[in-house]
Amino acid sequence: GIQVEQSPPDLILQEGANSTLRCNFSDSVNNLQWFHQNPWGQLINLFYIPSGTKQNGRLSATTVATERYSLLYISSSQTTDSGVYFCAVAAPTDKLIFGTGTRLQVFP
Amino acid sequence: KAGVTQTPRYLIKTRGQQVTLSCSPISGHRSVSWYQQTPGQGLQFLFEYFSETQRNKGNFPGRFSGRQFSNSRSEMNVSTLELGDSALYLCASSLDLDTQYFGPGTRLTVL
Repeated sequence: GIQVEQSPPDLILQEGANSTLRCNFSDSVNNLQWFHQNPWGQLINLFYIPSGTKQNGRLSATTVATERYSLLYISSSQTTDSGVYFCAVAAPTDKLIFGTGTRLQVFP
Repeated sequence: KAGVTQTPRYLIKTRGQQVTLSCSPISGHRSVSWYQQTPGQGLQFLFEYFSETQRNKGNFPGRFSGRQFSNSRSEMNVSTLELGDSALYLCASSLDLDTQYFGPGTRLTVL
């Protein structure tokens, strides 16, 4: 099955800093999503981005499908950005496979 | 639109019992997927239903089962509970395996 690797596993930032999270996957996919899991366990969809670039406020994401990786950029971090960021991928009509996540802590 | 709802939010059971969890998808969504999240194994796919049919299944024992009703609501059942079944169970809905929207989860503790 498809393997998903995320890096770094942990990230500690001061408020206002920028960061880049990476997701590598082992096979062709037609579905790639980034999620943020808050401290209460709620998974929030950030981007559906099987290819290309999208931006939503301070967050943006880029997927280079031909090279099998995706990047999530967080600019001007805030303490509310803390939590775990997951990348998940799927082949056509197949199940979503999650990476192990990047745990982000933002300190004031 | 209302989001994905899951009930109950918290559950405590003892080994050997069975449990049923419920998920109501976003109105209009026909696909419902279930995931188990544990500290050791991370987020693992259980199964996915689309229009009342199981379309995908993960690598879980037969004690884990599910179903979907005609109104797209879904239930999952775990029989003969084991300590290792303690986890956060998450349900997600989508139009058709595209953008998935997750519910708040059911936290199951097996004693």
